[in-house]
Amino acid sequence: SAVISQKPSRDICQRGTSLTIQCQVDSQVTMMFWYRQQPGQSLTLIATANQGSEATYESGFVIDKFPISRPNLTFSTLTVSNMSPEDSSIYLCSVDAGGRETQYFGPGTRLLVL
Amino acid sequence: GENVEQHPSTLSVQEGDSAVIKCTYSDSASNYFPWYKQELGKGPQLIIDIRSNVGEKKDQRIAVTLNKTAKHFSLHITETQPEDSAVYFCAASYTGGFKTIFGAGTRLFVKA
Repeated sequence: SAVISQKPSRDICQRGTSLTIQCQVDSQVTMMFWYRQQPGQSLTLIATANQGSEATYESGFVIDKFPISRPNLTFSTLTVSNMSPEDSSIYLCSVDAGGRETQYFGPGTRLLVL
Repeated sequence: GENVEQHPSTLSVQEGDSAVIKCTYSDSASNYFPWYKQELGKGPQLIIDIRSNVGEKKDQRIAVTLNKTAKHFSLHITETQPEDSAVYFCAASYTGGFKTIFGAGTRLFVKA
């Protein structure tokens, strides 16, 4: 397994502003994933981030709105840009386990946009 | 596209009873099926998983069964305890796909 931390754990932001969420893993991993979980809902994949390459975004998510960085094998950031109340969600970072299918999740970042 | 259906959406049981959550997947290429437990204010935690070459797997009070022909898999929790109360997600993926499809979740309440 992997130990994953996220910062911030929660935030309240004003519409029109941007927030960068950090994800740190205690070991080197190939794949890092960013998910959005709206209140009471399931997990929706935003993008997959590999070190050294551009992130791959899922349908409905674009780089201008959710830019992602992956500078090394233990760290990634997700920025939620030009926020609106519809962006209020839990944002989760996850990692693969040694290149296999198993994913391990961070504790999440709870975002409220006013 | 790929889809995972999960039932029921809410399940309430008495402490000590069993709980069963069922999922159906659509992509016949899926060969890995994890289950996650998400407690309030926390991220999903992997509790058990099963691969398509196995029909059943058990870990203490938790078991998962898989029927590849029917594309069904289920989570069984026996002797439920109040601390089992959480949201449970099933998921499906396939080797090399690196994309996991999650069910909608089941909110389990265990009444003391």
